[in-house]
Amino acid sequence: DAKTTQPNSMESNEEEPVHLPCNHSTISGTDYIHWYRQLPSQGPEYVIHGLTSNVNNRMASLAIAEDRKSSTLILHRATLRDAAVYYCIRFYGQNFVFGPGTRLSVLP
Amino acid sequence: DTGVSQDPRHKITKRGQNVTFRCDPISEHNRLYWYRQTLGQGPEFLTYFQNEAQLEKSRLLSDRFSAERPKGSFSTLEIQRTEQGDSAMYLCASSPTVSGVYNEQFFGPGTRLTVL
Repeated sequence: DAKTTQPNSMESNEEEPVHLPCNHSTISGTDYIHWYRQLPSQGPEYVIHGLTSNVNNRMASLAIAEDRKSSTLILHRATLRDAAVYYCIRFYGQNFVFGPGTRLSVLP
Repeated sequence: DTGVSQDPRHKITKRGQNVTFRCDPISEHNRLYWYRQTLGQGPEFLTYFQNEAQLEKSRLLSDRFSAERPKGSFSTLEIQRTEQGDSAMYLCASSPTVSGVYNEQFFGPGTRLTVL
């Protein structure tokens, strides 16, 4: 199965770090891990991607396990605008395979 | 705004009618994707184009669905003889193809279809 596994929902307090886990136990050695998020009433938007080593950008960090069977998206300081559904995605064939994602709620 | 645009944003139709949606990708992007998203689920891949060539179609894309990208620019997705199960958000995305560089997909706002 090409889909990833994520918790259905998570909650965070504003300005605290958030760790969003993802399991991708069937990933192959050359598959990148991608994270997108979908804000209410919008299409998904890119967050970050990686292959083997940890990655940082202005939005988030991505920590990839050494065996590559899991990864964690880290939002260093959650804001109310980060409330969204976060998708951990495999690139399967030529295309993305989305799971249902994790709905992140950020509490003020 | 030079992002991906979709038209219409909302469409309500009666069962059995045909509907057509349009997607205008970012101008320099030669890959274009269509996805379908039902409530509470992530987007499901339907089909994608490299320029005007339709390179892959999901088995979700029944013979009632057809997509075109005649000049490698905008694309249309047509659903014939709509069924209530076709009610969903239809998302379009585009990406460049640059060898050796990650090709982020840029999504449009979607067209929400309701079949009565």
